[in-house]
Amino acid sequence: DSGVTQTPKHLITATGQRVTLRCSPRSGDLSVYWYQQSLDQGLQFLIQYYNGEERAKGNILERFSAQQFPDLHSELNLSSLELGDSALYFCASSVYSGGNYNEQFFGPGTRLTVL
Amino acid sequence: AQSVSQHNHHVILSEAASLELGCNYSYGGTVNLFWYVQYPGQHLQLLLKYFSGDPLVKGIKGFEAEFIKSKFSFNLRKPSVQWSDTAEYFCAGHDMRFGAGTRLTVKP
Repeated sequence: DSGVTQTPKHLITATGQRVTLRCSPRSGDLSVYWYQQSLDQGLQFLIQYYNGEERAKGNILERFSAQQFPDLHSELNLSSLELGDSALYFCASSVYSGGNYNEQFFGPGTRLTVL
Repeated sequence: AQSVSQHNHHVILSEAASLELGCNYSYGGTVNLFWYVQYPGQHLQLLLKYFSGDPLVKGIKGFEAEFIKSKFSFNLRKPSVQWSDTAEYFCAGHDMRFGAGTRLTVKP
């Protein structure tokens, strides 16, 4: 158990809908990262927040957004869902914002299925 | 920015065989490299990490990796694999860039 929690574990929805994925980092970690893992794209970094502020952006679509709240939990919002958004979404956390010694701890993931 | 690449997509070995998975990085300043493992149905877990110092890094479960600066490589090794090592292995740089992953299947 990494100490990172994600809810829900599974999510099934329809095209065009909007969903919210939630992540709670390990106690003491200030950074939260979101990743998308699909069969054809591999593990893609989406976005990072550090202590409530956006720190880095990866291959995140405009239909997707995220935020980190004062209690450091984070939410990833996915809207206007398409079939291709079906994937496993991982959250990870780390102590630092980046640089050396920035080991990430991963949550169990949320499996999103868009029908 | 640093990027990493893994060229082995799927490796199949018999138990007790030796393992080497390739990882190459492109230099972009600070070199921090990681290997993560994802067992079937589970989340990613850190196997080992390199920040500086001794280029031979020992990790958990008998894995090790060698940082070779001249070859821009950080290959993962294990002298004798077990069936329980069946998993997907990811190399990553410190800037959240992961390689495509290598699926390892160990046949009993």
